[in-house]
Amino acid sequence: DARVTQTPRHKVTEMGQEVTMRCQPILGHNTVFWYRQTMMQGLELLAYFRNRAPLDDSGMPKDRFSAEMPDATLATLKIQPSEPRDSAVYFCASGFLLTGGGGGGYTFGSGTRLTVV
Amino acid sequence: DAKTTQPNSMESNEEEPVHLPCNHSTISGTDYIHWYRQLPSQGPEYVIHGLTSNVNNRMASLAIAEDRKSSTLILHRATLRDAAVYYCILRDGQAGTALIFGKGTTLSVSS
Repeated sequence: DARVTQTPRHKVTEMGQEVTMRCQPILGHNTVFWYRQTMMQGLELLAYFRNRAPLDDSGMPKDRFSAEMPDATLATLKIQPSEPRDSAVYFCASGFLLTGGGGGGYTFGSGTRLTVV
Repeated sequence: DAKTTQPNSMESNEEEPVHLPCNHSTISGTDYIHWYRQLPSQGPEYVIHGLTSNVNNRMASLAIAEDRKSSTLILHRATLRDAAVYYCILRDGQAGTALIFGKGTTLSVSS
């Protein structure tokens, strides 16, 4: 089965440091999503891209978070500077979705568990 | 986004069928009903989705009420591996928007 690959799987960093999380979506998928999961807030949508163009990043704290897709095989989520409240599991997901066409399921990666101390 | 209502938790015994309910009384005509599940320490996993007709796949069945204001995910024979959080989500198929997750139903399966 095709997979969404996220790296690193775990990251511990000190407050104030830059953190970069990477995602390799499934080849051929045109839509990539970033979600964050905490016990308190559950799964939150941070941002998503279609055909590498950002469609919605309203869920991201703009001052410190940034998401990009430098090419079709790589999506990145960067936090600079990181804070303890950013500690969470960050999931990337991809899918092939068409507006007006319903669309099928998304495939999620295994996540990056981030701890900011 | 139209909202869904699910019970916080349900229990089942192994090898018995499980019916997970979802209410979505404000569903619009272009909303698809999606189900995902999340096993412990894993990312969410797609289960099934539908628009108006009942749907079956190798994992589960989705029964959609005639008025589409509710749906039921059916696991035909629960196994211990089916213990997970199950999310019922509405997604606007016309607008092509992202999935917005609620709190879901935590399913426990006993042997």
